[in-house]
Amino acid sequence: AQSVAQPEDQVNVAEGNPLTVKCTYSVSGNPYLFWYVQYPNRGLQFLLKYITGDNLVKGSYGFEAEFNKSQTSFHLKKPSALVSDSALYFCAVRDPNTGNQFYFGTGTSLTVIP
Amino acid sequence: DAGVIQSPRHEVTEMGQEVTLRCKPISGHNSLFWYRQTMMRGLELLIYFNNNVPIDDSGMPEDRFSAKMPNASFSTLKIQPSEPRDSAVYFCASSRIGTSGDNEQFFGPGTRLTVL
Repeated sequence: AQSVAQPEDQVNVAEGNPLTVKCTYSVSGNPYLFWYVQYPNRGLQFLLKYITGDNLVKGSYGFEAEFNKSQTSFHLKKPSALVSDSALYFCAVRDPNTGNQFYFGTGTSLTVIP
Repeated sequence: DAGVIQSPRHEVTEMGQEVTLRCKPISGHNSLFWYRQTMMRGLELLIYFNNNVPIDDSGMPEDRFSAKMPNASFSTLKIQPSEPRDSAVYFCASSRIGTSGDNEQFFGPGTRLTVL
């Protein structure tokens, strides 16, 4: 079965420090992986995706994610956190062999401390 | 592009009343998804359509919930009768099924439903 796990409900990081939000996945084939961000009282916004090719994917607002097939992970990273990065982050996976459905993680709340 | 449009943005109703949520997907998108978000259960997929046809409605919680997509530019999610436990934020999202199928979903701003 397809699934995605975000092991941390909450991540706190000081402004200016690097941040990592973790995601692991489980799909039967080669996954399509996505990161979304949700600011308060807003819908989810697409950040970046991995489909194929280079394992390091760069996205919006300076975020990047690294696809690691051996560890079945797709962690979201940013070299220097901003207070404005504080939000809820969702990882999602889609197995292209089983239709168009996305499977979202439970979300990780990121707080960047000034 | 205006993005995914949802209406109303807020809905307050009394238990037992019928509630209809509306969604207009992005023009040219051929997949549409309805999600529900609560603090307790997180983000849940309720149903999704491909080319106006419901593909998977296994997330629809009860028979009180129904969804339709009469054409490519409009979808509704109806709850009848509504109950307090239906209180949540309901999101609509759309995407385009490409030949590689890798297209991301675009979310609407959501409808915050409160059932008293």
